[in-house]
Amino acid sequence: QSVLTQPPSASGTPGQRVTISCSGSSSNIGSNYAYWYQQLPGTAPKLLIFRGNQRPSGVPDRFSGSKSGTSASLAISGLRSEDEADYYCAAWDDSLSAWVFGGGTKLTVL
Amino acid sequence: QITLKESGPTLVKPTQTLTLTCTFSGFSLTTTGVGVGWIRQPPGKALEWLALIYWDDDKRYSPSLKTRLTITKDTSKNQVVLTMTNMDPVDTATYYCAHNYEVLGFDYWGQGTLVTVSS
Repeated sequence: QSVLTQPPSASGTPGQRVTISCSGSSSNIGSNYAYWYQQLPGTAPKLLIFRGNQRPSGVPDRFSGSKSGTSASLAISGLRSEDEADYYCAAWDDSLSAWVFGGGTKLTVL
Repeated sequence: QITLKESGPTLVKPTQTLTLTCTFSGFSLTTTGVGVGWIRQPPGKALEWLALIYWDDDKRYSPSLKTRLTITKDTSKNQVVLTMTNMDPVDTATYYCAHNYEVLGFDYWGQGTLVTVSS
């Protein structure tokens, strides 16, 4: 049981906009930044979004992050076949004094 | 260019102690704000954070695994070592080390190393 809750799966067709949610609490997302990672099959996770809504150099602007209260969201616009991957949210939890991850969302591009 | 690479045994027996080494380049663990963490992922399952050590030797551990984990650094060798005691088959996972820097979070990851716990 992960501290951060994500839907196990999401899907969309090429060109569509897809949103993945990450539900937390006041001790993690509610008071700290959310991070998003993309994990392509058989590879290490890659930082997609940091500080809630910032993209590292090289990450397309099709990817965007937002936050509302104790939940964070990752939006992918102009969906492409290469976006098919697992996506994880993460945040620092003040109560646990620990980094916490979501259970991951498997994105399928139909 | 920041790179990290994990090394250690691929197979350990139940009750044994696992020792993993993260060798990195492109940054220094003496730089203010820098940390190196360990995250693991059982086959087909989610990521789980294990431990993090900072430039000032501050250490943080997963509350659920704290009694079994020790993280140390050797700045002269650019290495971070994680030990996990009393290994169990449920600890079978790919273990990753990652660079951590302030609001960037875990921004660079190693390729990971698969550790299987079996007798």
